[in-house]
Amino acid sequence: DTGVSQNPRHKITKRGQNVTFRCDPISEHNRLYWYRQTLGQGPEFLTYFQNEAQLEKSRLLSDRFSAERPKGSFSTLEIQRTEQGDSAMYLCASSPSGGDQETQYFGPGTRLLVL
Amino acid sequence: GQQLNQSPQSMFIQEGEDVSMNCTSSSIFNTWLWYKQDPGEGPVLLIALYKAGELTSNGRLTAQFGITRKDSFLNISASIPSDVGIYFCAGQDKIKAAGNKLTFGGGTRVLVKP
Repeated sequence: DTGVSQNPRHKITKRGQNVTFRCDPISEHNRLYWYRQTLGQGPEFLTYFQNEAQLEKSRLLSDRFSAERPKGSFSTLEIQRTEQGDSAMYLCASSPSGGDQETQYFGPGTRLLVL
Repeated sequence: GQQLNQSPQSMFIQEGEDVSMNCTSSSIFNTWLWYKQDPGEGPVLLIALYKAGELTSNGRLTAQFGITRKDSFLNISASIPSDVGIYFCAGQDKIKAAGNKLTFGGGTRVLVKP
């Protein structure tokens, strides 16, 4: 299967701990997105990479959140000093760039529970 | 907050029925996408619409991109039990400088009639 993969699928942590999630996009896709989805809501945009460059960040991405895509392939999303309000599903999506028909394909998500 | 209003919020289906849901926006989008999400999984793309007025089918699914570019609908014909799930519309705006992000509706929860 060559779809978007995310690890871990589930993470339980205690408040105040740091967590890191990984996303591996579809191999030929140079655009990568992170979204957050809370229970009963649609996904909300967090940040976006074109290759290794982080081109946009949402106001939802507080100072405790950092994302990287060092070689333009996989990406990591780190949350420092987690809070209970960080509990959510974190989704990664990728797409090819260029052209009018850019479609984003999502991974299975990482579900975070902060106790 | 989210800009897309999706309705209905939930619906019950009986096998064989046709199902309709729609999405409206206060702003224009250049692309409309429909996704289905099962519990604990990521959204799976169903249909993508790239032109105003476009009507596209994918098996039993049909979706249209509204002429005003502010709305879209999704129809499911002859529903089957595996159609149960949450359906999301998403709009993408490429006019703005960094507008590749998707804006999602709140979802339509499709459930089976007891």
